[in-house]
Amino acid sequence: DVKVTQSSRYLVKRTGEKVFLECVQDMDHENMFWYRQDPGLGLRLIYFSYDVKMKEKGDIPEGYSVSREKKERFSLILESASTNQTSMYLCATSRAGAADTQYFGPGTRLTVL
Amino acid sequence: GNSVTQMEGPVTLSEEAFLTINCTYTATGYPSLFWYVQYPGEGLQLLLKATKADDKGSNKGFEATYRKETTSFHLEKGSVQVSDSAVYFCALGNAGGTSYGKLTFGQGTILTVHP
Repeated sequence: DVKVTQSSRYLVKRTGEKVFLECVQDMDHENMFWYRQDPGLGLRLIYFSYDVKMKEKGDIPEGYSVSREKKERFSLILESASTNQTSMYLCATSRAGAADTQYFGPGTRLTVL
Repeated sequence: GNSVTQMEGPVTLSEEAFLTINCTYTATGYPSLFWYVQYPGEGLQLLLKATKADDKGSNKGFEATYRKETTSFHLEKGSVQVSDSAVYFCALGNAGGTSYGKLTFGQGTILTVHP
């Protein structure tokens, strides 16, 4: 079974802090994704990566950056956290190629005060 | 671009009732279609999928048929249980090219089943 883990389930940070969210997968998947989930808005794609050191912007990249130095690890960085970044953050992975099943981590609920 | 529209929620049902959650989509080409479920406090997990027109995906008593003529992928279950209470997401993805496996998700439908 694919296992996708996220570094924290709950996180509380202050406005202006730099925040790191980490995602690790154990199935050698090429694709990794970061979403945020907000009530009534579904999942919105922030960034994704299809290979080590490769990254592409999703639909809402502003205020975020990512890093993928190793295949199994994909980090989301909030350079200067703001209250409107309070949200649930979900990481997902999938194999390369055709639109395939994405496997999700348990999520990190981030609160920015 | 791609988009997915789900029926407005929340949906509240009694145990053993029939469930339908509507999903329609707009997409280029021939996308794959998915239903994901999110139980309280968890991430999303795949419920079922269909990769071409007229395919039926099924799992845990849930079914959905890929209808290209109506661009729909409605989720159904004949008899819901309390344990089906969750948020359900419809999603689509395009194969190949520069899609890189990206999926487009609907806004989610909250289902609550009462005993």
